[in-house]
Amino acid sequence: AQKVTQAQTEISVVEKEDVTLDCVYETRDTTYYLFWYKQPPSGELVFLIRRNSFDEQNEISGRYSWNFQKSTSSFNFTITASQVVDSAVYFCALIEAGNMLTFGGGTRLMVKP
Amino acid sequence: DGGITQSPKYLFRKEGQNVTLSCEQNLNHDAMYWYRQDPGQGLRLIYYSQIVNDFQKGDIAEGYSVSREKKESFPLTVTSAQKNPTAFYLCASSIDLVGTSENTGELFFGEGSRLTVL
Repeated sequence: AQKVTQAQTEISVVEKEDVTLDCVYETRDTTYYLFWYKQPPSGELVFLIRRNSFDEQNEISGRYSWNFQKSTSSFNFTITASQVVDSAVYFCALIEAGNMLTFGGGTRLMVKP
Repeated sequence: DGGITQSPKYLFRKEGQNVTLSCEQNLNHDAMYWYRQDPGQGLRLIYYSQIVNDFQKGDIAEGYSVSREKKESFPLTVTSAQKNPTAFYLCASSIDLVGTSENTGELFFGEGSRLTVL
């Protein structure tokens, strides 16, 4: 069975601080995909990134970076120099072949000016 | 603009009443989904549909029903049998069903409908 755990329910930082959102997953498959979604106050989830299990290279997109480590079953998300607009709920998700997406419980990030 | 439209945004219901949430997409996506969001529990899948006139139960389908008569539309009915219907409901779509090919997994979401049972 697939499972995603986001232990941090809420994080509060001051603008320009770096912040890391943790994601730990469980799966028995060797082929799977990991995702991060952002849910701003407007409500809709916005896709940020997809990573397959065979690609452990870290990825950077502007101020966002993702650290995928199979050895610790983690897929952590770091925001560098956070901004108020980064305030949102962030979801990590996992999918195994033939299954539906399983979401973690989400981490609410509050960036204060 | 292409996207997913959910209505109403807020809805109040008395106990014992059925209520239908609307979801329309103009992305020409085959697959559509309904999720329920409760604080601290993430998103849980209610129903999904891979194609017109076909739909499958998700993890928490009891007390809900859906239809998929048109590709663009996937309405969700919350019936009186749903014991704890107060929640935030999100509709999503994808090009094809997640888990069926390497390039799936990216869902497009609507802005949600918040249902409160009085």
